[in-house]
Amino acid sequence: EAGVTQFPSHSVIEKGQTVTLRCDPISGHDNLYWYRRVMGKEIKFLLHFVKESKQDESGMPNNRFLAERTGGTYSTLKVQPAELEDSGVYFCASSLGVENEQFFGPGTRLTVL
Amino acid sequence: AQKITQTQPGMFVQEKEAVTLDCTYDTSDPSYGLFWYKQPSSGEMIFLIYQGSYDQQNATEGRYSLNFQKARKSANLVISASQLGDSAMYFCAMGGTSGNTPLVFGKGTRLSVIA
Repeated sequence: EAGVTQFPSHSVIEKGQTVTLRCDPISGHDNLYWYRRVMGKEIKFLLHFVKESKQDESGMPNNRFLAERTGGTYSTLKVQPAELEDSGVYFCASSLGVENEQFFGPGTRLTVL
Repeated sequence: AQKITQTQPGMFVQEKEAVTLDCTYDTSDPSYGLFWYKQPSSGEMIFLIYQGSYDQQNATEGRYSLNFQKARKSANLVISASQLGDSAMYFCAMGGTSGNTPLVFGKGTRLSVIA
């Protein structure tokens, strides 16, 4: 069974540009999460989808971040325009919701110059 | 609000020895789950072990065990018989008792296993 996949693995962009991160959860997992780890700090929750609906987006830092999950399958996280403080590793995780484990993807390392 | 505290930024352990990674938590929820994840240098987050707040016994998974002391609000990870491959970042996290709530993470502990 394929795990959670994320694309790209690395992205280097300039301040003001747009970047879109993609997450493919484990097939059949209704719950999809985005997290971010800024250098030296805790991994922070960004938002939670249940199928295609946003269950909780309280962790989204500002309106430059837009997440979608069309059709309840893969999800995208767009940052527009990117700022220096957006640099970090963005993790996606998915779960069935009836067992305790959240399965994480390998992360996307975003560097904004 | 939930909070996880990991007070050890880095730890060293001799190969084949046991090591305890500390984790304390704070929550007002009566029902919660505690998780440990391992992040090797390759970057992926690997789930290690889970403890539910109502579980009577400490969780164990192979060489990993969770020393759960509810009154002290601590959920320390014990790794027995350390191996070189255990060198990694270890994150303690708190969430719900099912996988449908966001996780709150600590800052992590970097474990280095010495030959």
